[in-house]
Amino acid sequence: DIVMTQSPDSLAVSLGERATINCKSSQSVLYSSNNKDYLAWYQQKPGQPPKLLIYWASTRESGVPDRFSGSGSGTDFTLTISNLQAEDVAVYYCQQYYTTPRTFGQGTKVEIK
Amino acid sequence: EVQLVESGGGLVKPGGSLRLSCAASGFTFTNAWMNWVRQAPGKGLEWVGRIRSKTHGGTTDYAAPVKGRFTVSRDDSKNTLYLQMNSLKTEDTAVYYCTTEDGYSNYWGQGTLVTVSS
Repeated sequence: DIVMTQSPDSLAVSLGERATINCKSSQSVLYSSNNKDYLAWYQQKPGQPPKLLIYWASTRESGVPDRFSGSGSGTDFTLTISNLQAEDVAVYYCQQYYTTPRTFGQGTKVEIK
Repeated sequence: EVQLVESGGGLVKPGGSLRLSCAASGFTFTNAWMNWVRQAPGKGLEWVGRIRSKTHGGTTDYAAPVKGRFTVSRDDSKNTLYLQMNSLKTEDTAVYYCTTEDGYSNYWGQGTLVTVSS
């Protein structure tokens, strides 16, 4: 199985500042035939189901604010939240869909400092 | 608007069985690959299994902890996804979500809570 490891487990960021979450996979999730990284990011607010933010490592889902961006390739990925807003308080998960079983990172909790 | 509505959760004793349902609307269910994902209380997300569309064979894949105990199925005439859970263990206690799958999970239901306890 591909193991997904996020860092940090939690972080506190001031309103308007930048939050950076890292995700590392135990093997590459880059599919060479189409040069796509099979990596997604989700946001989960308390009491709600997860919401898809980013897929193909850097493609923003429709309706997701452009302060959310994804980057990286191969085994190392980053979710960046620029200009953090109060409504961004949540737990964020990365997930690989390169193969089954689909696997998620352990989650990163983002709070306001 | 895509809607996924899970039902069937509840309290069950260890060793018991439960069948979850997920009613889908707002998209062409027949063409959709579907997942079940669970989340134990206060914990992270765990993929449970998926079913391909009938045109892709309708075959299934499972996570190791549930393989041989859980079965994902679908009734395209009813736009409904199912999760049959047998030989339940206390560690199966979780909120169970159904999701659509394009590799990633585009849409999620609100989830249904399954509690396995004596």
